[in-house]
Amino acid sequence: GDSVTQMEGPVTLSEEACLTINCTYTATGYPSLFWYVQYPGEGLQLLLKATKADDKGSNKGFEATYRKETTSFHLEKGSVQVSDSAVYFCALRSQGAQKLVFGQGTRLTINP
Amino acid sequence: GAGVSQTPSNKVTEKGKYVELRCDPISGHTALYWYRQSLGQGPEFLIYFQGTGAADDSGLPNDRFFAVRPEGSVSTLKIQRTERGDSAVYLCASSETRNTGELFFGEGSRLTVL
Repeated sequence: GDSVTQMEGPVTLSEEACLTINCTYTATGYPSLFWYVQYPGEGLQLLLKATKADDKGSNKGFEATYRKETTSFHLEKGSVQVSDSAVYFCALRSQGAQKLVFGQGTRLTINP
Repeated sequence: GAGVSQTPSNKVTEKGKYVELRCDPISGHTALYWYRQSLGQGPEFLIYFQGTGAADDSGLPNDRFFAVRPEGSVSTLKIQRTERGDSAVYLCASSETRNTGELFFGEGSRLTVL
């Protein structure tokens, strides 16, 4: 079945450091790919998405590129802030499906 | 504006008891989802409603779990004969009819079965 694998956390960085959170997926066909973020005390919210190969999603300084050849959707940010501290979830939605399949999440902590 | 509202935020019950968890979606959202999130894990799909009907209930783990959405708005997740393994955060999400993949999540109901 469809699945998403994220790099294990937790990840701790200093402010202004460069961030990469790895995400790979297994799915048939051409899924849509998402990153969701959960800030402390809040519900999950969509951070960015990409719906076809080579698309780049971006939001709040974060980027991720849909790589069909490596079945990956790594999350990147050039300079992280303390306010980026949260749990990040990679997810996919298969063609024709409604539900999202989530990875296990990566907890990110940014120290000042 | 009102987001997805879930009640109760916390529920502690004893093994074998019956539990109901409520979800009030964003007004006008026709799609509603229930997920379960165990500690350190990502959300696990349970059931999806389009309007009043359960379009996909493939994630319900067994027949102790049931969900309804009688008027196409509020939904209730019902768990019978609770077990300690049911302890988790139960998340509800809603989305518009035109499914862009953007789900709007509530903050969840944390269920603890003693």
